[in-house]
Amino acid sequence: EAGVTQSPTHLIKTRGQQATLRCSPISGHTSVYWYQQALGLGLQFLLWYDEGEERNRGNFPPRFSGRQFPNYSSELNVNALELEDSALYLCASSAGRRVYNEQFFGPGTRLTVL
Amino acid sequence: QQQVKQSPQSLIVQKGGISIINCAYENTAFDYFPWYQQFPGKGPALLIAIRPDVSEKKEGRFTISFNKSAKQFSLHIMDSQPGDSATYFCAAGGTGRRALTFGSGTRLQVQP
Repeated sequence: EAGVTQSPTHLIKTRGQQATLRCSPISGHTSVYWYQQALGLGLQFLLWYDEGEERNRGNFPPRFSGRQFPNYSSELNVNALELEDSALYLCASSAGRRVYNEQFFGPGTRLTVL
Repeated sequence: QQQVKQSPQSLIVQKGGISIINCAYENTAFDYFPWYQQFPGKGPALLIAIRPDVSEKKEGRFTISFNKSAKQFSLHIMDSQPGDSATYFCAAGGTGRRALTFGSGTRLQVQP
């Protein structure tokens, strides 16, 4: 069974640009979570999508946004990039919001803002 | 109140020894406590998880001990191996919020 996949692996942008990161959950999973892992730090929750809707959002500015598609894949958009947005962005999926299930992570997208 | 505090920040253990990592939480609404293992350049992998209705859960060499009254939980790695060298994160989740709150991580180095 294929795990969570993310693309691209690496992304280099300059300040003020926009970045788009993509995530495909494990087959059958309807929930997708996005986390930010800055260098040497723990994971900070960004966004949670389930069945196409945003269910919860972490303490991040509105320029961090996303969406979930009908096939449950998800996209994270970061607008007006700042240097401190440089981090590993991790996507996780779980079976759905009605039952609390384990979250399984993808390999991440390394975003570098110059 | 959403914080999860993890210690130590780094840990060096000899091969065959016991590695112990501790976490403490404040929010009593948390009802799910997983541990993740992360190797450099990889995403975190779920290692083991526990719910508050049990005080201990063991899977192979990995054991979670949970103290509900103290709001603390810990990971014990028995017979630690060099292949266990990685960063370990504890986390806590609540039924309503779903998103996990992570500790700051422990970098474990098992020396041969």
